[in-house]
Amino acid sequence: KQEVTQIPAALSVPEGENLVLNCSFTDSAIYNLQWFRQDPGKGLTSLLLIQSSQREQTSGRLNASLDKSSGRSTLYIAASQPGDSATYLCAVNHGGFKTIFGAGTRLFVKA
Amino acid sequence: KAGVTQTPRYLIKTRGQQVTLSCSPISGHRSVSWYQQTPGQGLQFLFEYFSETQRNKGNFPGRFSGRQFSNSRSEMNVSTLELGDSALYLCASSLAWGSYEQYFGPGTRLTVT
Repeated sequence: KQEVTQIPAALSVPEGENLVLNCSFTDSAIYNLQWFRQDPGKGLTSLLLIQSSQREQTSGRLNASLDKSSGRSTLYIAASQPGDSATYLCAVNHGGFKTIFGAGTRLFVKA
Repeated sequence: KAGVTQTPRYLIKTRGQQVTLSCSPISGHRSVSWYQQTPGQGLQFLFEYFSETQRNKGNFPGRFSGRQFSNSRSEMNVSTLELGDSALYLCASSLAWGSYEQYFGPGTRLTVT
């Protein structure tokens, strides 16, 4: 059974700091991994999608890596801003294309 | 291009009633997935539809059902509502069934009293 864990559960950093969010999964037989952000009471915004054959994806200040063999993905946020404050979720597209979500990391960036 | 739309955005129902939620995917997308989000359980997969056929189903009781129409719009229905069904119901669309990027709608907030 696929399980997705995100560490840390919550993170508070000063503006301008670079930070790393972690996502681990127990079964490496995945098709892709997707990172999302969710603002309170809102839907999910897709940030980055990494296919199983890829090692990393970049978009602006965001960089996501994937190591299938170790069951890990990281989301790197450079030069954090208060507008980055949100919950970040990773989702693994598993066998049968079921999507399993982690519990999320709640990020607060202080001005 | 319009995003994923969900209606209604908010809903209050009484225990025992039934409810129908609607999702319109991004134009050209043919796969629609439904998720339930609660503070205690997080985001949980309900089911996925592609070409009017249910392709996947999560671990939810039979009270939760769905369907997809020929224009790819989807509805989900919850019968005999329970207090524990109070949640944010999210719909996601993708181009096709498989390893494609998912785009989420704003969700329907269901409160069962």
